[in-house]
Amino acid sequence: DTAVSQTPKYLVTQMGNDKSIKCEQNLGHDTMYWYKQDSKKFLKIMFSYNNKELIINETVPNRFSPKSPDKAHLNLHINSLELGDSAVYFCASSQFSTDGEQFFGPGTRLTVL
Amino acid sequence: DAKTTQPPSMDCAEGRAANLPCNHSTISGNEYVYWYRQIHSQGPQYIIHGLKNNETNEMASLIITEDRKSSTLILPHATLRDTAVYYCIVTPMYSGGGADGLTFGKGTHLIIQP
Repeated sequence: DTAVSQTPKYLVTQMGNDKSIKCEQNLGHDTMYWYKQDSKKFLKIMFSYNNKELIINETVPNRFSPKSPDKAHLNLHINSLELGDSAVYFCASSQFSTDGEQFFGPGTRLTVL
Repeated sequence: DAKTTQPPSMDCAEGRAANLPCNHSTISGNEYVYWYRQIHSQGPQYIIHGLKNNETNEMASLIITEDRKSSTLILPHATLRDTAVYYCIVTPMYSGGGADGLTFGKGTHLIIQP
């Protein structure tokens, strides 16, 4: 069974569109995250979400919004997509917010044309 | 910004031990050393972590110097599947992931040669 899954694996869309990426974890973890890996391969935290507490990296534009329908899911909504949003987005989870052992999903490659 | 320094790339022969160094000279007393790796086109994978003592698990060993300013990740018998980018990450004990997330640097691209 996949521990952290993401859909879709690939997403190609036009500038200005709104899109969502879904993430689910079946590990019973309390905390979930979204990371962005750009073309230079730098991996940066975007959000962490624990017990309905959202912590946002201050550099993330407000066009990006995570939504958690329940503890096992943390979806990423992106409005008004821009060319610079093209990247691979990884979802991750950890048992507790203080736990540095995180389990990552396989990633979603977003291409904005 | 990452608090660690790693060589950009290393080669290792298949079957030999791969020793990956990491410098973290500004580490503070409440910070752990974590190691992750990222195989091409996959998500990062946790390997091991430690505070002061050396650690070993089924994947690797972690050797931390007594002054904690550097560490070495050891893959005892490298295989071709160990080819990946290896990240050394320093993170506070009580904020391991939640508050700030993990800060990944550039890592070391380890290439296992047949």
